[in-house]
Amino acid sequence: QITLKESGPTLVKPTQTLTLTCTFSGFSLSTSGMCVSWIRQPPGKALEWLALIYWDDDKHYSPSLKSRLTISRDTSKNQVVLTMTNMDPVDTGTYYCAHRVAVSAGGTGGMDVWGQGTTVTVSS
Amino acid sequence: DIQMTQSPSTLSASVGDRVTITCRASQSVGDWLAWYQQKPGKAPKLLIYKASSLESGVSSRFSGSGSGTEFTLTINSLQPDDFATYYCQQYNSYTFFFGQGTKLEIK
Repeated sequence: QITLKESGPTLVKPTQTLTLTCTFSGFSLSTSGMCVSWIRQPPGKALEWLALIYWDDDKHYSPSLKSRLTISRDTSKNQVVLTMTNMDPVDTGTYYCAHRVAVSAGGTGGMDVWGQGTTVTVSS
Repeated sequence: DIQMTQSPSTLSASVGDRVTITCRASQSVGDWLAWYQQKPGKAPKLLIYKASSLESGVSSRFSGSGSGTEFTLTINSLQPDDFATYYCQQYNSYTFFFGQGTKLEIK
């Protein structure tokens, strides 16, 4: 059974850097095809894809946020970390991590298991 | 960047109805499209992948179709549990953008 859980601060100040951790179980991010993605959702608004890391450490980012985001993995700890710099109140929302198996590895390509989400508020 | 546009933004329907939600891509995504259902305060749930393949465990009342730039999600015989917000997402390119969502409300 695959599970993911997000953790990190609930409140950050404007201009600070946010660091979120996705701790997962039930798969290894070293296994071919495995991916973990970060998605966020401002209150009452749509889902926004942020970043994705592949089993081979390939990384991809939302173009509009690329300069502020870094995604990384620690395969020994089964964790994926997302950092977002220069936080602003518009970055307030729920941040999710999700599991995906790449199509190239026989997966569906969809984000099939999600964490419960963690809420981040940006305010001074 | 591939942009995804859903219509309508809000849809009112009754239990037992059949409804269709449309998702359009700004350029062809082949059939690399997924549909998700999200209920308030909950994480999204994968319903459909590769445009028309039903995720394991999802009711057969849900179906997807389309390819290229135009896709549809159809829900047959609406049940009370189906009233939620639905999102499409493309994964043809390395930017996994979502549509803006369609809220399905009870009429």
